[in-house]
Amino acid sequence: QVQLQESGPGLVKPSETLSLTCTVSGGSISSYYWSWIRQPPGKGLEWIGYIYYSGNIINYNPSLKSRVTISVDTSKSQFSLKLSSVTAADTAVYYCASEVDCSGGGCKDYWGQGTLVTVSS
Amino acid sequence: EVVMTQSPATLSVSPGERATLSCRASQSVSINLAWYQQKPGQAPRLLIYGASTRATGIPARFSGSGSGTEFTLTISSLQSEDFAVYYCQQYSNWPPYSFGQGTKLEIK
Repeated sequence: QVQLQESGPGLVKPSETLSLTCTVSGGSISSYYWSWIRQPPGKGLEWIGYIYYSGNIINYNPSLKSRVTISVDTSKSQFSLKLSSVTAADTAVYYCASEVDCSGGGCKDYWGQGTLVTVSS
Repeated sequence: EVVMTQSPATLSVSPGERATLSCRASQSVSINLAWYQQKPGQAPRLLIYGASTRATGIPARFSGSGSGTEFTLTISSLQSEDFAVYYCQQYSNWPPYSFGQGTKLEIK
């Protein structure tokens, strides 16, 4: 069973860079697309971006594109998110997730449990 | 950007009854539509993919329908564990893969 675990600071100061890592275990990071999605407290879901395991396909939400970097390190089975120049509006639960896999007779995806990042001085 | 609009925002239904949730896309997404269930403090859980295919392990009381711009999630006989927030999400057009604002399904 594939498991995802987000890690990183829970508190970031305004104007600084938010950095999170997602570690994939119980399966291979290879052959999937991997995403970051966030959810401000009490609000809906926003797709931040995704990366192919090889790192050669990366797409960002235009609303965040100038501040976001997603990268992958297959040797560590990890992919990462950096969001620069954060403000209070970036306070959210950040999730990492896999693409939906419909091979093997059924459809499934995998999500981390989410990590709350608060932007505050 | 494709805007996803869900209705109603809140739906009150009694256990054992049927619930019907709607999702509309601002432009056609074909059948590239998923439904997620989210409970407090938990990550979203995939229910439906391809507008009508149940995800692995999802009970048969959950069904999805629609194509183009109009979609429906139906829960045929509500169980206590079904009361949650439901999101539709399109994955036809990037950027980005947009979510609806959610429908909160509450106990009547």
